[in-house]
Amino acid sequence: DIQLTQSPSFLSASVGDRVTITCRASQGISSYLAWYQQKPGKAPNLLIYAASTLQSGVPSRFSGSGSGTEFTLTISSLQPEDFATYYCQQLNSYSLTFGGGTKVEIK
Amino acid sequence: QVQLVESGGGVVQPGRSLRLSCAASGFIFSNYAMHWVRQAPGKGLEWVAVISYDGSNKYYTDSVKGRFTISRDTPKSTVYLQMNSLRAEDTAVYYCARSRAAAGTPTDYWGQGTLVTVSS
Repeated sequence: DIQLTQSPSFLSASVGDRVTITCRASQGISSYLAWYQQKPGKAPNLLIYAASTLQSGVPSRFSGSGSGTEFTLTISSLQPEDFATYYCQQLNSYSLTFGGGTKVEIK
Repeated sequence: QVQLVESGGGVVQPGRSLRLSCAASGFIFSNYAMHWVRQAPGKGLEWVAVISYDGSNKYYTDSVKGRFTISRDTPKSTVYLQMNSLRAEDTAVYYCARSRAAAGTPTDYWGQGTLVTVSS
């Protein structure tokens, strides 16, 4: 199975900061990667798919890049509602594995 | 609007069975693959199973193969997860989600989840 490694696993940042989260795949997955945001007690919310396509309704401060084995999620200016846990997910195979998550907390 | 509503969770003893349901509405159910994803308390997301739009293809994560079965009832717009031989490590919130295909496309809508607790 394809393994995804997210880094960092925990991030402390301030409102207005630029934040970058990395997701590395154990083998090439082209652009078959999605990013989700999850808040406590809630279901995950799709942010980005195909590595860089913004889901409808998602603020433009979120962006994604990468292909092959290395991907990034960037939040250009962190807002109070962005404090949450973020997960990457590979869509390249029928075993749709997730990364371990990155928790973004308020500094 | 798209809605996915899970039910069937609860407390069950190790080795017993449970069936989860996910009722879909607000979209053409037969056009979408359906997934189950779980999240153990305080842990990350784990993809569990997917069934193709027509039910002809099913895939599972290794840890549930041979124990869990995903199925769908198109007239009822419902997807199921039959869970047998339950173990303590199956304790989690179980979410259903939809995607355009069994692989290659993201899960764009999720239910609110149903909690399964496996304990004696």
